[in-house]
Amino acid sequence: EPEVTQTPSHQVTQMGQEVILRCVPISNHLYFYWYRQILGQKVEFLVSFYNNEISEKSEIFDDQFSVERPDGSNFTLKIRSTKLEDSAMYFCASSGGDQGEQYFGPGTRLTVT
Amino acid sequence: AQSVSQHNHHVILSEAASLELGCNYSYGGTVNLFWYVQYPGQHLQLLLKYFSGDPLVKGIKGFEAEFIKSKFSFNLRKPSVQWSDTAEYFCAVNAQSSYKLIFGSGTRLLVRP
Repeated sequence: EPEVTQTPSHQVTQMGQEVILRCVPISNHLYFYWYRQILGQKVEFLVSFYNNEISEKSEIFDDQFSVERPDGSNFTLKIRSTKLEDSAMYFCASSGGDQGEQYFGPGTRLTVT
Repeated sequence: AQSVSQHNHHVILSEAASLELGCNYSYGGTVNLFWYVQYPGQHLQLLLKYFSGDPLVKGIKGFEAEFIKSKFSFNLRKPSVQWSDTAEYFCAVNAQSSYKLIFGSGTRLLVRP
């Protein structure tokens, strides 16, 4: 069964550094998403992406964040200058339609020190 | 603003007991409803979904959920749980005008053999 994959599984970075989290969505899916879960809190929506542009974003997704689909398979989330409060589990998801169920990857645990 | 509430944060049951996990949402418009499960060490997986039609939906592994529009609820049920149902369960909602999923805080279920 096709799966969403994410790399790395765990990333440790220093405050102020840039990080790129990578995702490979399910191959025939057209809609891509990033979510995050700070320890002990709810899973929160960050951004959705369709047809090479952002279709929706949350208040969390400020100028420090960007997303890109650099080729036909990868979907990346970049945080330009990480803060301590960016420490969280980041989940990528994809779906075949705009109202279809979203399939989640295993997550990348980001630790900012 | 949309929100999702899950009433039970931790539930402990013995095998063969019946399960009901509560989920309420707040949103005035038309919604799609989901239950996701996260088994220990694994990623979020879709258990079941409701888009329209019969408000009683059946999912994988013997789970079902009932959408009661007047109560803004989408409770998850299983008549007889197994040890392998030990996991965290998340209720999620998306407005039909939006891409994002709004998650509840999750319910950790422990099933004792």
